[in-house]
Parts: sequence; structure tokens; C-alpha cells
Amino acid sequence: KAGVTQTPRYLIKTRGQQVTLSCSPISGHRSVSWYQQTPGQGLQFLFEYFSETQRNKGNFPGRFSGRQFSNSRSEMNVSTLELGDSALYLCASRGIDHYEQYFGPGTRLTVT
Amino acid sequence: EDQVTQSPEALRLQEGESSSLNCSYTVSGLRGLFWYRQDPGKGPEFLFTLYSAGEEKEKERLKATLTKKESFLHITAPKPEDSATYLCAVQAIRNNDMRFGAGTRLTVKP
Repeated sequence: KAGVTQTPRYLIKTRGQQVTLSCSPISGHRSVSWYQQTPGQGLQFLFEYFSETQRNKGNFPGRFSGRQFSNSRSEMNVSTLELGDSALYLCASRGIDHYEQYFGPGTRLTVT
Repeated sequence: EDQVTQSPEALRLQEGESSSLNCSYTVSGLRGLFWYRQDPGKGPEFLFTLYSAGEEKEKERLKATLTKKESFLHITAPKPEDSATYLCAVQAIRNNDMRFGAGTRLTVKP
């Protein structure tokens, strides 16, 4: 089975811009979660989607949003980018009745 | 609030020198405790899930154990390719998000 894929792998944006990141889960997985990883804060949960519905949300401002499509692919959007949004954004998927998550390679976002 | 604390922050071993990494946690109703390995610039790679105190799991040179307050990742006779950051995470029964520890950065010298 192919693993979780994320596009793009690297992105450079300017403060104030917005960005959309994409994630394709492992085939058959309907749950997709997003995480932000920084050297200072580590891995932090953003939100989880299951069957196109957001099931859980972490403690991030409303500038961070996401959605999931009927084929389980997910997108994450960050509006009005700030320097502090520079991070590795990771997507993870899991199957039904399985609790372990499988991560993609991440998108490295740099905000200048 | 759920908390996960990993120690040590960094560990340097000689090849063949066995050791253990610690993950202490507090969670209201543990669904599962997870161990991941992360190489620089890559996403975390799943290693183990532990569900209840007393449970143990093994994979090659790695063995994970779980008590009601902590988990250990034992590394037996490590090799340089075991060098990575090892992450521990807990998931509570009441929700689906994972809370991660800060990780232990392991370096194994030949």
C-alpha cells in the first residue's frame, strides 16, 4: 500500500499571504489528522477529519482551517500567515478501529 | 490536562551499548500509548501501540513496556542506524487527538 502523501513538500510564503496544503491518506483510511511541528513546541495537534466532518480540534487560532473530501483527501489552509507559522506540517491517517496513525513526510512551510 | 514527558532529552550511546528511554504520562482514561521514530526532515514512523499496564511489544532491537504512569523503550545492542528522535504519544478515551512528548534524540556512535 502506498503511504500518506503530502504536497507540496516545501513552501516559502510572505507574511500576510495564505497557503493551502494537501494530504492524501493511505488507501482505505478515512481519518486524517493534521499536526504542526516546531523545534520549540514539538508536535501539536491541529484537527482531525473523518468522513468529511471535523471531529476534533486543537488549540490553534481560527486562521487554521481544514476540510476533507469524499475520497478522504484533506486540505489544510492557513490565512494571514505570520512568521511564527513557519513549521513542518504533518498529516496522518488511520484506519477504522485502529488507533495508531501513519504520518506523511510533511510540508516544510517557511514564512518570511 | 494530559501531559507527556520524555527523558532524557538527548542520549549518546556507543554501538552495542544497551539503554532505555522513558516516557512519563498523565491522562484521564488512557486509550493507548504510542511510540514513533522520526528521522531528520521526515515524518514520524510508527513503532508500537500499548494499551494496558503490563503490556510489552518487541521489534528487532526495540522493546516497549507500559505501566500505569510510564512507558520505557528499551534498545538492545543499538546500531548507528538506530540514531533518530524517538517520540512518545498518548491518546485519551474521551477524544481522538494524540498528545506528544518532546522526544528523545538518540545518537549511536560506531
